Amino acid sequence: QVKLQESGPGLVKTSETLSLTCTVSGASMNNYYWSWIRQPPGKGVEWIGYVHVSGTTSYSPSLKSRLTMSVDTSKNQFSLKVSSVTAADSAIYYCARGNYLHGVEVWGQGITVTVSS
Amino acid sequence: DIVLTQSPGTLSLSPGERATLSCRASQRISSDYLAWYQQKPGQAPRLLIYGASSRATGIPDRFSGSGSGTDFTLTVSRLEPEDFAVYYCHQYSRSLWTFGQGTKVEIK
Repeated sequence: QVKLQESGPGLVKTSETLSLTCTVSGASMNNYYWSWIRQPPGKGVEWIGYVHVSGTTSYSPSLKSRLTMSVDTSKNQFSLKVSSVTAADSAIYYCARGNYLHGVEVWGQGITVTVSS
Repeated sequence: DIVLTQSPGTLSLSPGERATLSCRASQRISSDYLAWYQQKPGQAPRLLIYGASSRATGIPDRFSGSGSGTDFTLTVSRLEPEDFAVYYCHQYSRSLWTFGQGTKVEIK
């Protein structure tokens, strides 16, 4: 059974870079689109983007200029970097596995990130 | 990118009633790449329906999805107490994936 676990700092300073890692266990990383999704407090979910093991990425247009996603299959991990963060980037960040059959099909438990000066 | 608009924002119903949730896309979604999720407080969303009408593993048959093109519907035939939650639709038909803003199903 595949499990995803987010890790990273829970507090990031304004204007700095938010960095998160997702560790995948119980399944190969091949043939899936490894996604990041976030949810600001009390609001809906927002798709951030995905990375494929081939290196293909797709990013939300509203965040694209500040995003970097990568995958490390040797560690069974993928990562997210968001630069120049503001308070509007405070949210629960979920990592997830997706494909073009099910969409986003497996979610991590989420990690709360707060941006503050 | 494709914008998904869900309606209503909130649905107030009693247990045993039928819930009908709508998701409208700003552009046609090819091959029914439309999914539905349920989210309860403090939990990650859970996949209910994919491909517009296929139930995910372990999802009760009181949940059903329908629709095509730009108009999609999630129906819960008889609401159980555990079904009161927020529901999201999600399109994955092109490389830019998006979610709707959600419909809250609350106890009347």
